[in-house]
Amino acid sequence: EAQVTQNPRYLITVTGKKLTVTCSQNMNHEYMSWYRQDPGLGLRQIYYSMNVEVTDKGDVPEGYKVSRKEKRNFPLILESPSPNQTSLYFCASSPSITTFQYFGPGTRLLVL
Amino acid sequence: TQLLEQSPQFLSIQEGENLTVYCNSSSVFSSLQWYRQEPGEGPVLLVTVVTGGEVKKLKRLTFQFGDARKDSSLHITAAQPGDTGLYLCAGVSDGQNFVFGPGTRLSVLP
Repeated sequence: EAQVTQNPRYLITVTGKKLTVTCSQNMNHEYMSWYRQDPGLGLRQIYYSMNVEVTDKGDVPEGYKVSRKEKRNFPLILESPSPNQTSLYFCASSPSITTFQYFGPGTRLLVL
Repeated sequence: TQLLEQSPQFLSIQEGENLTVYCNSSSVFSSLQWYRQEPGEGPVLLVTVVTGGEVKKLKRLTFQFGDARKDSSLHITAAQPGDTGLYLCAGVSDGQNFVFGPGTRLSVLP
């Protein structure tokens, strides 16, 4: 089954404790991206990747890091989480930037 | 930064009614996508429109891309409770990134 998986689905952490949210897709897609979704603000792109070893900042990259060492995986790293990073996070992939995206199920993060 | 606006922000209607939601921008997009998102899940693609003036139908849903490729609308005929969800539009412009609107939250009451 074609899918994008994210782990964990729910996470409660404290300020400053490094965390990683994993994202994996099994569709051999070139393009992957991370979004955060907050009430009234919609989906805002954090980082995206056009291909392996190619990543670029989206609209809200501050406080986040990503890596793309393999085509299928695109982890999101929060080196020192802060309460304003409490949000719902989605990973997405697509064959290219011009085609529609498949979204993962989301990761709900609470930073205390 | 390109922006997409959606209206209305919230919409609550009775089963059987018709509705239209709008997605507008001052920017031109090479394509525009509509997604529906249900609680606890990621957005799922409904349709992609590419050509200015294009109209696509998906059962009771009709999507239109504006002639100037700056706006789009989604019309639902005879809404059903299963149509309840958050409707998002997303634009792509000439190799730039995806831009999402804030969404229209639709509630269809039985």
